[in-house]
Amino acid sequence: AQSVTQLDSQVPVFEEAPVELRCNYSSSVSVYLFWYVQYPNQGLQLLLKYLSGSTLVKGINGFEAEFNKSQTSFHLRKPSVHISDTAEYFCAVRSGYSTLTFGKGTMLLVSP
Amino acid sequence: EAQVTQNPRYLITVTGKKLTVTCSQNMNHEYMSWYRQDPGLGLRQIYYSMNVEVTDKGDVPEGYKVSRKEKRNFPLILESPSPNQTSLYFCASSLKSGAVNTEAFFGQGTRLTVV
Repeated sequence: AQSVTQLDSQVPVFEEAPVELRCNYSSSVSVYLFWYVQYPNQGLQLLLKYLSGSTLVKGINGFEAEFNKSQTSFHLRKPSVHISDTAEYFCAVRSGYSTLTFGKGTMLLVSP
Repeated sequence: EAQVTQNPRYLITVTGKKLTVTCSQNMNHEYMSWYRQDPGLGLRQIYYSMNVEVTDKGDVPEGYKVSRKEKRNFPLILESPSPNQTSLYFCASSLKSGAVNTEAFFGQGTRLTVV
């Protein structure tokens, strides 16, 4: 079975500060990893994905994530956040032919 | 424009009154699924469908039914809604479950309140 743990339910940060949203996963086989963003009153939008190859993955809106197999992590980072980045972020994992499993989400709160 | 369309966006109903939430995608995707989102619990899969006439239970299927008679449509049916089914529901589609470059496309969500 696969699972995803997002350790922080909320991350408050000031505008222009760097941010890291943590994601750890468990799976017994090779995994595909995703980060989705949900803006208020909207559906989920794909930020970035790791399928294979380079462990550093760049996504939209200046976000990036690094796949660390030994630590089973896929943390999301942005060097300088904007007010408009305020949203809920979901890490998700899929292994083999299984379905997508989501973490419980991290609410990023950016204040001026 | 490629999209997943859910209707209605908002629904308030009474306990026991059957309802259907529709979901349609225009990307010719084989795989479709339904999730419910609750505070502190993230998204949990209700049902999924690998293709037409092929459906299977997800993690929280109790109280729900689905059907997949056409590739583009995947309605979610609540035969006898109860207050614990008050939630935000999302439909999603993807090319196929096993494809390595598969990403899921989500609808805008349906906020259901059962009183």
